[in-house]
This record gives sequence, structure tokens and C-alpha cells, in this order.
Amino acid sequence: QLQLQESGPGLVKPSETLSLTCTVSGGSISSSSYYWGWVRQPPGKGLEWIGSIHYSGRTYYNPSLKSRVTISVDTSKNQFSLKLSSVTAAGTAIYYCARRPGVAADLYFFDFWGQGTLVTVSS
Amino acid sequence: SYELTQPHSLSVSPGQTASITCSGDILGDKYACWYQQKPGQSPVLVMYPDTKRPSGIPERFSGSNSGNTATLTISGTQAMDEADYYCQAWDSSTVVFGGGTKLTVL
Repeated sequence: QLQLQESGPGLVKPSETLSLTCTVSGGSISSSSYYWGWVRQPPGKGLEWIGSIHYSGRTYYNPSLKSRVTISVDTSKNQFSLKLSSVTAAGTAIYYCARRPGVAADLYFFDFWGQGTLVTVSS
Repeated sequence: SYELTQPHSLSVSPGQTASITCSGDILGDKYACWYQQKPGQSPVLVMYPDTKRPSGIPERFSGSNSGNTATLTISGTQAMDEADYYCQAWDSSTVVFGGGTKLTVL
């Protein structure tokens, strides 16, 4: 069974860079059939897509975050990572990693999600 | 930027039909999907694309998408269906989520 597990610091200071890693088990991140993504959810609020990556390195980012986001993949460790720079209190959220099956170019959904990790931005 | 609009909340009695709508410009020309999220849990895919149920999702869940509106319908709603529901679509290389609908079963 596929599992995704987020890891990283639970507390980040304002203006610093948030860094998280998603470890994939039970499947290969190098499969051409999938993209891997990050979604966040501020406490009590809705879902916001951050970006997605294919093992080949192709990325898609939320335009509202694009200037501050970098998503990368490490196929040797079966992991992909998120870096979000210049964070503010608005970045306090549960961060989820998820898998997107690449069924068709305009068919986009996430079929497996990690349990999420809470990141608090505070000094 | 593309936007998806959902009602903030919906209440139904057990056994009744719940219809959760998601509105967006010509949404019917795109693929819509739906997630269920219970308190303290990760989202779960319950409908994609438009009308297909993932394995393990009960048959009482169905979907449609036409014109500017996608609809998630829960027939014979049960107490276990109480949750937040989010629609999602893909537009201009961007994943867009609706704001979510809190379904209360009482």
C-alpha cells in the first residue's frame, strides 16, 4: 500500500525558509505515471495547492506562490521536497504531500495523501 | 485566476439526499473532482473525474458536471458522511480548490 510521510521542522521563524520532505513508500517516485504535489491548509480554513513535480523534474507552481517556492525530487531516496522562502504568519498551516496520477493532461486529482504536518510560523 | 465557489455549509437529515454544488466559469468543460475531509484527517478523494468513484467509496456518492456547475450528490446520507467537502479542478496549469462546504447531518 502506498504511503506518503511528511517530515520537517514544526516551527519556522518569519522571513526564514520553510523546508519539508515527503517520503514515499510502497511505490516508486520514479514512475512516469505520477506527479507528486504539496497542498497546505491553514487552521480552520480550506485547501491551497502549492505545486507539483514529476520525477523528470518538470514542475508546476501556484502562481501566487511561484516566486517563493521550489519543489525538488530525489529519486535515490524516493523523496520529494518543498522549500518556501520568506514565510510569514500566513504560512502557518498543515502541509500535505500527495500523489497525482498522470492519466491525462487536463485531468488532475490527488488519489493518495500523507497525514500532514503542522508548520507554525512564529518568532 | 480561475475560481470555484461552494456554499459554506449544508444541513441534511439522515436518509435524505445532500447535493453539494461547485460553480466555476464553464466548469463543465473541465474535469472536476471532490474530496471529503473529516476533522483531524487528510482529504480523501471521493469522486473523479466528474462522475467516477474511487475504490472503497460507497455507491451513495455520485457526481455530475455540466455548464458552470459540478455537483456531488450523497443519496441516503448517513451520519458518517458529516465532513467538509472540497471540489477541485485544473485550469491553466494550476490546481484550483473550492472553498469547501461543511456538511452537517442532523
